Amino acid sequence: GEDVEQSLFLSVREGDSSVINCTYTDSSSTYLYWYKQEPGAGLQLLTYIFSNMDMKQDQRLTVLLNKKDKHLSLRIADTQTGDSAIYFCAEKGSGGSYIPTFGRGTSLIVHP
Amino acid sequence: ETGVTQTPRHLVMGMTNKKSLKCEQHLGHNAMYWYKQSAKKPLELMFVYNFKEQTENNSVPSRFSPECPNSSHLFLHLHTLQPEDSALYLCASSQDLTVQETQYFGPGTRLLVL
Repeated sequence: GEDVEQSLFLSVREGDSSVINCTYTDSSSTYLYWYKQEPGAGLQLLTYIFSNMDMKQDQRLTVLLNKKDKHLSLRIADTQTGDSAIYFCAEKGSGGSYIPTFGRGTSLIVHP
Repeated sequence: ETGVTQTPRHLVMGMTNKKSLKCEQHLGHNAMYWYKQSAKKPLELMFVYNFKEQTENNSVPSRFSPECPNSSHLFLHLHTLQPEDSALYLCASSQDLTVQETQYFGPGTRLLVL
């Protein structure tokens, strides 16, 4: 299996909450990231969490980290059509590496 | 200009052409990266430079030739490419190569090889 796994698609109704999930394999990961990629654009850093934290909140975004299960999630409250994009989970620090490992990305589709 | 910029944003080239992609970062960072993003594949790291010195070459074919003249600029020289090289090429930078530093990405160059 891959080091960082995400489901490929998520469809939500506008105004609902979206939860994008990610699992990783290496328990020594120290930093975990969420990036957003809009069509035709590069990856935009949304937020990150250090491995000694369980939760981080930033406006409509909530990141939850379950180190025991090696599970990371990104919750977007009050999802808007502008949130439609591909969301990438990434981890860094396993084995001391400075190079992040990215998941394949989850396409979030927001419909009216 | 702010952040990481890339030019051109779109490029169409024949297999016998030679072209170059340019990346510039305005963040005062010392490390720069080239990634390849193909449809339905994970993001692939190609090259890493730190203080102008190449530190990673992820088994990239020699038809891709990187150049880093200073910490703010990174080029990817392309020659005799194949159609399967068509992809989005992303540049990124970080303060340095320590694990706590975050990567910031440019908008990418969409390359089509005919």
